[in-house]
Amino acid sequence: AQSVTQLDSQVPVFEEAPVELRCNYSSSVSVYLFWYVQYPNQGLQLLLKYLSGSTLVKGINGFEAEFNKSQTSFHLRKPSVHISDTAEYFCAVSRDNNNDMRFGAGTRLTVKP
Amino acid sequence: DTAVSQTPKYLVTQMGNDKSIKCEQNLGHDTMYWYKQDSKKFLKIMFSYNNKELIINETVPNRFSPKSPDKAHLNLHINSLELGDSAVYFCASSQVYNSGNTIYFGEGSWLTVV
Repeated sequence: AQSVTQLDSQVPVFEEAPVELRCNYSSSVSVYLFWYVQYPNQGLQLLLKYLSGSTLVKGINGFEAEFNKSQTSFHLRKPSVHISDTAEYFCAVSRDNNNDMRFGAGTRLTVKP
Repeated sequence: DTAVSQTPKYLVTQMGNDKSIKCEQNLGHDTMYWYKQDSKKFLKIMFSYNNKELIINETVPNRFSPKSPDKAHLNLHINSLELGDSAVYFCASSQVYNSGNTIYFGEGSWLTVV
């Protein structure tokens, strides 16, 4: 089965600084990759997803991610974060024949003033 | 209009009780899911239904029984609640049970068993 590893459980960063949240996946077949954000006391909201085509994917709120097949990674980046970006971020993977989506353990992004 | 709505949002109950969480989606999706998020934020799928048919049933105690009266609803019934059942339960849906489909989540139901 496919799986996801988020390498950092917590990432503190100052406002307006760049940030990268790391995600690695493992699967023996083609996969589709997702990043979701969870704000406090809310459900998960899709930030972006990679299905095929260009390996650089742009999402909402100024986030982007790059699919790297050779390194089996899908890291999330933002060039300048805001206080409002403070949230839990989840990387997820599904295989190419079903929608059985598996989530990473999450990365807590804390943006400080 | 809330796309995926679940009720109640907060539920505090005693061990041994039976409780239900209801979920409805108005997106016209064919597939619905239940996820459990534990205190460490780890999110794990419990069940998936496609057109009212059970697709995924992870290793979940049989005290948990999902019921899908139609493809817009997927309710979760839990018998004989235990302390370890305390978690946030998320209902979700996707258009079809195909890869790459975005999964839309409800806002969660916070279950506390005392």
